[in-house]
Amino acid sequence: GDSVTQMEGPVTLSEEAFLTINCTYTATGYPSLFWYVQYPGEGLQLLLKATKADDKGSNKGFEATYRKETTSFHLEKGSVQVSDSAVYFCALRANTGNQFYFGTGTSLTVIP
Amino acid sequence: NAGVTQTPKFQVLKTGQSMTLQCAQDMNHNSMYWYRQDPGMGLRLIYYSASEGTTDKGEVPNGYNVSRLNKREFSLRLESAAPSQTSVYFCASSDGNRVQETQYFGPGTRLLVL
Repeated sequence: GDSVTQMEGPVTLSEEAFLTINCTYTATGYPSLFWYVQYPGEGLQLLLKATKADDKGSNKGFEATYRKETTSFHLEKGSVQVSDSAVYFCALRANTGNQFYFGTGTSLTVIP
Repeated sequence: NAGVTQTPKFQVLKTGQSMTLQCAQDMNHNSMYWYRQDPGMGLRLIYYSASEGTTDKGEVPNGYNVSRLNKREFSLRLESAAPSQTSVYFCASSDGNRVQETQYFGPGTRLLVL
C-alpha cells in the first residue's frame, strides 16, 4: 500500500546551518506530495507541496523537489533559524481514494 | 476566518467513560478526517468522511465511532475509553479537489485516559 518514510530525528542544528530532511514514498501512479510543519502545542500547517514529477514546492525558504525516479521529496533549507524549530511531516495523497499518508515526523531544534 | 476548530482542547477521562470530540470547519470543504498522533507513530487515520453523509474507516478505527452531522461538523465518539486511547486527536478538512488537495488541521484535543 501507499506509505511515506522519513528521516528519524531528532535533528539539532546551529542557526544558519543547512537543513535536509529525507523523505521517500511508495505509491502507485503519481501522488501529490506535501510537507507539513507542527509548532509546539499546535496543529499541522501546510509548508509546501508538489503535485507532479519535477515540481519544486517552496515556502519560507524551504524547498522540496518531487523526484519520481528516486520516489523522494526531501526538504531543504539553506540557512535555518531558531524559529524553524518544529516537527516536520512528509505526506502523500494518492491519485485514487481519499486518504493522506503521513510519515512519522522529524523533530528539528535550532540552537542560537 | 476560524478554519478548523476542535473542542475540547484537553480532557481527562477514567477508563470506561464516554465522550465526544467535536470538530467544525468553515471553509465549505467536502472531506473531513480524524487522526490520532502518538510519539514515534506520526499521524494515523481513524475515520474520514469524503462527503456529507458518508464515513469510512481509516487505519485505526477500533474503539471509535464518527458522525458527519452536516457539511461543517464531524464528531468522534469514544464509547468506552481505554488507556490505549490516550493521545492527541486532530481533525482535518480538505476541499476535495484531488490534484491540488491540501488538508487543513485543527489545533488538536489532548486526551488522557486514566
